[in-house]
Amino acid sequence: DADVTQTPRNRITKTGKRIMLECSQTKGHDRMYWYRQDPGLGLRLIYYSFDVKDINKGEISDGYSVSRQAQAKFSLSLESAIPNQTALYFCATSDFPSGDTQYFGPGTRLTVL
Amino acid sequence: AQKVTQAQTEISVVEKEDVTLDCVYETRDTTYYLFWYKQPPSGELVFLIRRNSFDEQNEISGRYSWNFQKSTSSFNFTITASQVVDSAVYFCALSEAQDSWGKLQFGAGTQVVVTP
Repeated sequence: DADVTQTPRNRITKTGKRIMLECSQTKGHDRMYWYRQDPGLGLRLIYYSFDVKDINKGEISDGYSVSRQAQAKFSLSLESAIPNQTALYFCATSDFPSGDTQYFGPGTRLTVL
Repeated sequence: AQKVTQAQTEISVVEKEDVTLDCVYETRDTTYYLFWYKQPPSGELVFLIRRNSFDEQNEISGRYSWNFQKSTSSFNFTITASQVVDSAVYFCALSEAQDSWGKLQFGAGTQVVVTP
């Protein structure tokens, strides 16, 4: 089984709808992250969490919110989806004491019509 | 401002040729990490290597090698004797001590196309 899982893997939705993307990990890492990938722009950080009680905004947090329900779960919400949020979304985890390499989930492809 | 620059958008090679991917970074931190990730056509991101700022020793892993030069702020990646399976997008990334290592800043990526 994969160490970092994301659900759903693909989602098509309409403008104005609320969407939640979920991430779970079995790696036992404290740190979790959400990124979005757009063609030609690499990955950009949306939110990150160093532990269950810690939430931080990243580079592009506007229009998004997150919830860290447990050490192993980190959800990303789009309260009112808009077409320019169409992108590939990645969750990642890292273990600071071990050097903080980030390991990524398989990604969620989101299309907002 | 972009902290990681991958100037090559796409590189096309024929199988067995060597290919070098350039990565130039910018930081004021003296302590930082540099990374390379591979994104094959299937879309997942695969970690390849991490290098800390105090270790300029070059590294070789099979057909992959990395050249880290602090004097030019570069962390270049070479694939020797490329194979079709090397076709992917490769990302260079930077994390800094000032951010408690919490932010990976990615370059835009270089698409490598290896044809038989």
